[in-house]
Amino acid sequence: DAGITQSPRHKVTETGTPVTLRCHQTENHRYMYWYRQDPGHGLRLIHYSYGVKDTDKGEVSDGYSVSRSKTEDFLLTLESATSSQTSVYFCAIKDRAGNQPQHFGDGTRLSIL
Amino acid sequence: DQQVKQNSPSLSVQEGRISILNCDYTNSMFDYFLWYKKYPAEGPTFLISISSIKDKNEDGRFTVFLNKSAKHLSLHIVPSQPGDSAVYFCAATAKAAGNKLTFGGGTRVLVKP
Repeated sequence: DAGITQSPRHKVTETGTPVTLRCHQTENHRYMYWYRQDPGHGLRLIHYSYGVKDTDKGEVSDGYSVSRSKTEDFLLTLESATSSQTSVYFCAIKDRAGNQPQHFGDGTRLSIL
Repeated sequence: DQQVKQNSPSLSVQEGRISILNCDYTNSMFDYFLWYKKYPAEGPTFLISISSIKDKNEDGRFTVFLNKSAKHLSLHIVPSQPGDSAVYFCAATAKAAGNKLTFGGGTRVLVKP
């Protein structure tokens, strides 16, 4: 198993509250990604990072922000959670640029009431 | 507009028989394709990949076929085993787009003993 830990694994919160999800890796991989999984949509890219302090938007970035102050940690923040952000969130890592598979953590199930 | 589509949401197959999963894509810039397997409450696990310069890649019981002219790929699992019961996602990436993964919606496979 790739050394990826997501925390928390489950969270229930209320609309309008801030939420931060953490992805921690022990592989020293350069690239890190945040996805959300919803029925019928597969996984969709939210944000990604190609190095410390280097991040960019993905397909569904509205309402989300990220930060990467250390190689091993990639944080996803919902500044003011909405019910449409109820989803399962996955973090992934990749070692190098180019055609390489990404390796995924076990996900965070987030419910926003 | 889904660039990667898995038109069969589910597939049921008898143990020992062949499972064939299909995936279609629309973006001709995609040059690397992957299949992931996902069990409940776990993250996707990389299964097999293929570069656009090939039309077939084999790894044990798993073979991926790529038909670029039809923009179609398929995953063959022979023989199918009960442990293969999972959701399978195809994904595609383009070097020109920074190798970001675009996923299909997934196919749930049930292998019956």
